[in-house]
Amino acid sequence: KAGVTQTPRYLIKTRGQQVTLSCSPISGHRSVSWYQQTPGQGLQFLFEYFSETQRNKGNFPGRFSGRQFSNSRSEMNVSTLELGDSALYLCASSSVLQVGGYTFGSGTRLTVV
Amino acid sequence: DAKTTQPNSMESNEEEPVHLPCNHSTISGTDYIHWYRQLPSQGPEYVIHGLTSNVNNRMASLAIAEDRKSSTLILHRATLRDAAVYYCILRDFNSGNTPLVFGKGTRLSVIA
Repeated sequence: KAGVTQTPRYLIKTRGQQVTLSCSPISGHRSVSWYQQTPGQGLQFLFEYFSETQRNKGNFPGRFSGRQFSNSRSEMNVSTLELGDSALYLCASSSVLQVGGYTFGSGTRLTVV
Repeated sequence: DAKTTQPNSMESNEEEPVHLPCNHSTISGTDYIHWYRQLPSQGPEYVIHGLTSNVNNRMASLAIAEDRKSSTLILHRATLRDAAVYYCILRDFNSGNTPLVFGKGTRLSVIA
């Protein structure tokens, strides 16, 4: 079955702009989580959506937001980009009450210049 | 979430077994032990998880100490493809929705 698909793979934006990243989970998975990975901070949890509702939120400023659609696809948006937002943004999906594995996408590499 | 402690890096020869340790002295009774790995230029990949008993799957084995304060991920024959950062993560099953909390992990190098 198809894995988690993230688009685009690479993105270059200018400070002050906004960006939208997309994630298509594995078919049947209703939970989608987003993570930011930087060399300094490692993998940090942004937020999780389940059935179009945000279920958990990490410690990030309000410039970071997300949503989930009825088909479980998710988008995250970062407004007023800062240089420090340059990172690999990863999306992961899981099925309901799955104790074990999350399946991650390959990520979107965002560079802010 | 309870914290885990892992060595920053380890090195192994190809085709040798690798034992990756993880300490979690404050683990609670409902914490599952998860292992993920992240290959270069990829997202993390689920490896294995367990609660109390040792677990085996096609990728690895997980040995859990009797007091559950530590665990070891075992790769039976390391290959070059196993070079990755390995993360040991605790997740409370009772809380249902808690996200994965990643630490720094162990960077495994495999030497041909």
